[in-house]
Amino acid sequence: DAGVTQSPTHLIKTRGQQVTLRCSPKSGHDTVSWYQQALGQGPQFIFQYYEEEERQRGNFPDRFSGHQFPNYSSELNVNALLLGDSALYLCASSLLYGFNYGYTFGSGTRLTVV
Amino acid sequence: DQQVKQNSPSLSVQEGRISILNCDYTNSMFDYFLWYKKYPAEGPTFLISISSIKDKNEDGRFTVFLNKSAKHLSLHIVPSQPGDSAVYFCAASGGSYIPTFGRGTSLIVHP
Repeated sequence: DAGVTQSPTHLIKTRGQQVTLRCSPKSGHDTVSWYQQALGQGPQFIFQYYEEEERQRGNFPDRFSGHQFPNYSSELNVNALLLGDSALYLCASSLLYGFNYGYTFGSGTRLTVV
Repeated sequence: DQQVKQNSPSLSVQEGRISILNCDYTNSMFDYFLWYKKYPAEGPTFLISISSIKDKNEDGRFTVFLNKSAKHLSLHIVPSQPGDSAVYFCAASGGSYIPTFGRGTSLIVHP
């Protein structure tokens, strides 16, 4: 049973560009959350999607947007990239009401903005 | 403003001994706490959790203790094994069910 799959694994972009990261959740999971982990920091919550709607959002600017598809997969889009957006982006899937079992995380996408 | 704090960036322990990782939180609305383990080049893996109605939860070699009055929790690993070497994240959530993570503690278990 495949866990959470993220693509690409690494990405280098230029300041001002736009990027799309992709995530396929664990089979059976209906909720996808995105986190940003900067170097030396813990994961910071960006937003969560359930039933193709943004359910909750963390303290991130509107440059960060997302989408969830009918098959529960999700995309994270970041516009007008800044150097400070360089980080590991983690996707986590879960059941909306199965939180007690914890999230299943993907291995992440390492984004470098130059 | 960090609501979940892991004040020890690293911890070194001898194989077979106890590892104790600490975590403090400031938000009194938090009522569910989790520990995740992360190896390099992998995503965090859920390890163990505890609800605020309990003060202890045990799963094999891993035990989490919660002291609500002190807003403090700890993860005990007994006995520690070299394969336990990883970064451990403490996380806490309240009514939103969205976990807030600490910065992590890097555990090194020496053979």
